[in-house]
Amino acid sequence: AQSVSQHNHHVILSEAASLELGCNYSYGGTVNLFWYVQYPGQHLQLLLKYFSGDPLVKGIKGFEAEFIKSKFSFNLRKPSVQWSDTAEYFCAVSQAGTALIFGKGTTLSVSS
Amino acid sequence: DAGVIQSPRHEVTEMGQEVTLRCKPISGHDYLFWYRQTMMRGLELLIYFNNNVPIDDSGMPEDRFSAKMPNASFSTLKIQPSEPRDSAVYFCASSGSLEDTGELFFGEGSRLTVL
Repeated sequence: AQSVSQHNHHVILSEAASLELGCNYSYGGTVNLFWYVQYPGQHLQLLLKYFSGDPLVKGIKGFEAEFIKSKFSFNLRKPSVQWSDTAEYFCAVSQAGTALIFGKGTTLSVSS
Repeated sequence: DAGVIQSPRHEVTEMGQEVTLRCKPISGHDYLFWYRQTMMRGLELLIYFNNNVPIDDSGMPEDRFSAKMPNASFSTLKIQPSEPRDSAVYFCASSGSLEDTGELFFGEGSRLTVL
């Protein structure tokens, strides 16, 4: 069955540390890839997305993600996290004409 | 645009009661989705509609759950009878298209607690 896996359930970092959150998917064929963020008490918001072209995608707030097709991965990165990045992060995958399927999410806690 | 609007934001009910959650999508969006978020299972797709027609309801847990979209600006998710294991945050989302961007716009969610 098609699935999205996020390997880290909870990540704890200090401010200024670098971040990498893993995401792998099991779909074959062409995929669209997304990272959404959910700040405490808020709804999900799009962080960045990949459809085609440059596999290194830059999103809002200094986040980026790299699509590695051979590894079926779309890992999220940020060179230096801030306290305000504390949130839950969801990787999602879709194919043309289908709904987004989300991973279980990774909770990021950043201490100041 | 006001975004996706959900109501109620919070609902506390007793086991066996009927629960109705409501959603107003962004005007002009053809797709509407219902997701359920729990600690154990994350974000699960329950059902989605295209132009008010249900396309995929394979994620609906069981017959106690039903969803309708009587027109382009309104959808309901109903649970009858409710059970404690239904406690979760239910998100509605809408999208203009699945063919190009696939980006979803989420409402703020309805937090359901079934006692």
